[in-house]
Amino acid sequence: GNSVTQMEGPVTLSEEAFLTINCTYTATGYPSLFWYVQYPGEGLQLLLKATKADDKGSNKGFEATYRKETTSFHLEKGSVQVSDSAVYFCALRASSASKIIFGSGTRLSIRP
Amino acid sequence: NAGVMQNPRHLVRRRGQEARLRCSPMKGHSHVYWYRQLPEEGLKFMVYLQKENIIDESGMPKERFSAEFPKEGPSILRIQQVVRGDSAAYFCASSPPIPPTGVAYEQYFGPGTRLTVT
Repeated sequence: GNSVTQMEGPVTLSEEAFLTINCTYTATGYPSLFWYVQYPGEGLQLLLKATKADDKGSNKGFEATYRKETTSFHLEKGSVQVSDSAVYFCALRASSASKIIFGSGTRLSIRP
Repeated sequence: NAGVMQNPRHLVRRRGQEARLRCSPMKGHSHVYWYRQLPEEGLKFMVYLQKENIIDESGMPKERFSAEFPKEGPSILRIQQVVRGDSAAYFCASSPPIPPTGVAYEQYFGPGTRLTVT
C-alpha cells in the first residue's frame, strides 16, 4: 500500500544552519506530495506541494523537489530561524484518492 | 473567509462516556475529512464525507465510532463508550468538490480537538 517514511526527530539546529529533513514514499501511480507544518498547539498548515515528477515546491524559504527516480521529497532550507521550530509532516495523496497519507512527523527545534 | 472551525478545542471524558466532535468546513466546501493523531505520531485518515453521504470510511474503527455530515450544520464525529486509547487529537479538513477529472483540491485543516479520556 501507499506509505511515507520520514526522518525521525527530534532535530536540533542552531539559527542560520542548513536544514534537510528526508522523506521517501511508496505509492502506485503518480501521487501528489506535500509538506505540512504544525506549530505547538495548532493544526496543520500546508507548507508546500508538488504534483508531478521534477516539480519543486517552495514557500517561506523552504524547498522540496519531487524525485520519482528516488521516490523522495526531501525538505530543505538554507538558513533556519527560531520561528521555524515546529513539527514537519511529509505526506502524499494518491492520484486516484482523496485521503492524505502522512509520515510520522519530524520535530525541529532551532536554538538562538 | 473563516477557516475550518472545530469545537470544542479540548474535551475531557471519563471512560464509558460519549464524545461528540464538531467540524464546520470553510465556506463553499462540501467535503469533509477526519483524521486522528495519536501522541507523537502522524495523522491517520479516518473518514471522508460529503453532505449526507459517507464516501470513504476505510480508516474508521469498526465499533463505537461514527461520523455524519448532515444537509444543515456541522460534521459530527461521535465516539461512544470512550476508552483511554481514544485519547488523541482529532483533526478535520475540508475541500471544495472534487472535479470530474484532474487532481483533487487541497484540504484545509482545522485547529483540532484534543480528546482526553480519564
